[in-house]
Amino acid sequence: GENVEQHPSTLSVQEGDSAVIKCTYSDSASNYFPWYKQELGKRPQLIIDIRSNVGEKKDQRIAVTLNKTAKHFSLHITETQPEDSAVYFCAALFTSGTYKYIFGTGTRLKVLA
Amino acid sequence: NAGVTQTPKFRVLKTGQSMTLLCAQDMNHEYMYWYRQDPGMGLRLIHYSVGEGTTAKGEVPDGYNVSRLKKQNFLLGLESAAPSQTSVYFCASSYHLAGDVENIQYFGAGTRLSVL
Repeated sequence: GENVEQHPSTLSVQEGDSAVIKCTYSDSASNYFPWYKQELGKRPQLIIDIRSNVGEKKDQRIAVTLNKTAKHFSLHITETQPEDSAVYFCAALFTSGTYKYIFGTGTRLKVLA
Repeated sequence: NAGVTQTPKFRVLKTGQSMTLLCAQDMNHEYMYWYRQDPGMGLRLIHYSVGEGTTAKGEVPDGYNVSRLKKQNFLLGLESAAPSQTSVYFCASSYHLAGDVENIQYFGAGTRLSVL
């Protein structure tokens, strides 16, 4: 079936340290993998995405890596800051006939000052 | 250009009451989606639409109905609300081209629904 698993569910890091969140997906045909940040009471906001034709993408302190063979992708946040504290969701675009996004269950990141 | 707009923002219902949530997008997107978000469970797809006049079931469709009579609007209906439908509901839209040029999904601000 269509499934995305996300780990860990909670993550606490010291300010300045790195944070890594990992996701696995079930369908090898998936070709688009976005990451969202959601602050309390707000809508999910796209922070970075990656397509299946690349293995890594970076945007300042945020990077995403993709391993299509193993069907997993990861979000890396370096030099974490208190404002990085939020819930992060991964998703995979499933394209069997129609386009559907399946989300992971989220990671609550706490950056400790 | 407002993007994706959801109404209402908040609603309290009694068990058995009905209501309709409205989602409107002004980006001419073909695809529209309704999700529910519950603590610890991420965003779960309720129903989605691949174009005007079409709808399809997602992961958790029971208890909900949808309609897409106009391309820009996607309605989510609860015919007889139950406490288990207490949740935050998000609408989203997206546009897809061959070759994966555009797959970004745009979200509305959400509707917080409580069923007593």
